[in-house]
Amino acid sequence: SAVISQKPSRDICQRGTSLTIQCQVDSQVTMMFWYRQQPGQSLTLIATANQGSEATYESGFVIDKFPISRPNLTFSTLTVSNMSPEDSSIYLCSVEGNGKSYEQYFGPGTRLTVT
Amino acid sequence: QQQVKQSPQSLIVQKGGIPIINCAYENTAFDYFPWYQQFPGKGPALLIAIRPDVSEKKEGRFTISFNKSAKQFSLHIMDSQPGDSATYFCAAYSGNTGKLIFGQGTTLQVKP
Repeated sequence: SAVISQKPSRDICQRGTSLTIQCQVDSQVTMMFWYRQQPGQSLTLIATANQGSEATYESGFVIDKFPISRPNLTFSTLTVSNMSPEDSSIYLCSVEGNGKSYEQYFGPGTRLTVT
Repeated sequence: QQQVKQSPQSLIVQKGGIPIINCAYENTAFDYFPWYQQFPGKGPALLIAIRPDVSEKKEGRFTISFNKSAKQFSLHIMDSQPGDSATYFCAAYSGNTGKLIFGQGTTLQVKP
């Protein structure tokens, strides 16, 4: 399976600011995914990021709030914009394994607290 | 129809016991069913997965049982150990949508 790293691992941010989360993979992958996991809750898909195309957002998530970049096959960023306390969550990136989008491998997550 | 319902929410067993976690789905377009294990402060790790044309799959101490007609599947952990204490998520994937849908999660505690 791919080795996935995320930066930062955690952060505490003030209301109204923005935070960019980085996701780095040790191998080239076509599809990368961003999820949100609220405290004690399940995982909710935010968007799918394919290299060379615009990210596809799920219902309830918009590009202005969660802009995503995918500049190459090993890297992606998710920005959480104009943050409020409701954005406090763990943000996870995942990648397809072996070219199969059903076999996803997750990074360690970024724990975000908004005060 | 896109939901995956998981139960129980939490589970406590003694070492050596066999915890069972259950999931149910409605969408018959789902065609891949993985289980993920998540330790505190870590990302979910793919544990074991099954396709609907198979009724059972074993990998080490972990077994998935799948009942296609009932649209249910479950995870059994044989000879459970304190190190198995974690949160377990079932999920379902549809090739039509290209998305994984996760269950609500089960927090398992294995007592020594």
